[in-house]
Amino acid sequence: AQKITQTQPGMFVQEKEAVTLDCTYDTSDPSYGLFWYKQPSSGEMIFLIYQGSYDQQNATEGRYSLNFQKARKSANLVISASQLGDSAMYFCAMRENTGGYNKLIFGAGTRLAVHP
Amino acid sequence: GAGVSQTPSNKVTEKGKYVELRCDPISGHTALYWYRQSLGQGPEFLIYFQGTGAADDSGLPNDRFFAVRPEGSVSTLKIQRTERGDSAVYLCASSLGGSSYEQYFGPGTRLTVT
Repeated sequence: AQKITQTQPGMFVQEKEAVTLDCTYDTSDPSYGLFWYKQPSSGEMIFLIYQGSYDQQNATEGRYSLNFQKARKSANLVISASQLGDSAMYFCAMRENTGGYNKLIFGAGTRLAVHP
Repeated sequence: GAGVSQTPSNKVTEKGKYVELRCDPISGHTALYWYRQSLGQGPEFLIYFQGTGAADDSGLPNDRFFAVRPEGSVSTLKIQRTERGDSAVYLCASSLGGSSYEQYFGPGTRLTVT
């Protein structure tokens, strides 16, 4: 069965520093997609970044980058130059192989606190 | 433009009552998803609509849960005979199509069953 594991319930980082949030996954499908979402206290899930299993390069979106290590089945999120507004819950998710739509399996999340 | 909206934002109901939760997706988005997020956990998939039809309802926990999307836009999640274990945040998401990986989530409805 497909599964996402986030082993860090909470992390803190100093403003302007970089932080890595860990995510490992388990799947037997050769084709899959990995996502990171941010959930601030308002509750809305905000899409950050996507990595396809066949993508040759690590995905990047502004200050977010995904450190994709396929052999280790890990998809860690790196946030560079942390800002106070980055304080939130962060969820790693994987798309089940549904043949065309994005049914997501989420991890338990990591709460990030950015300190001034 | 307007994002995904969900109403009500909060709903408190008594055990055994019936509730309806509404989702208004982004205009033009044909794919619509419902997820449930229990306290301290990540969201769990409930159901996926492509247009008016429920293409995948494998995540609905039991037959007390039902969802419709009669005109291919607004969707309603219906829960009969609510139980305390149904208390959670119910999230709706929409995307341009089923294969479009960027899902836009609404703010959720917090359901509390007393």
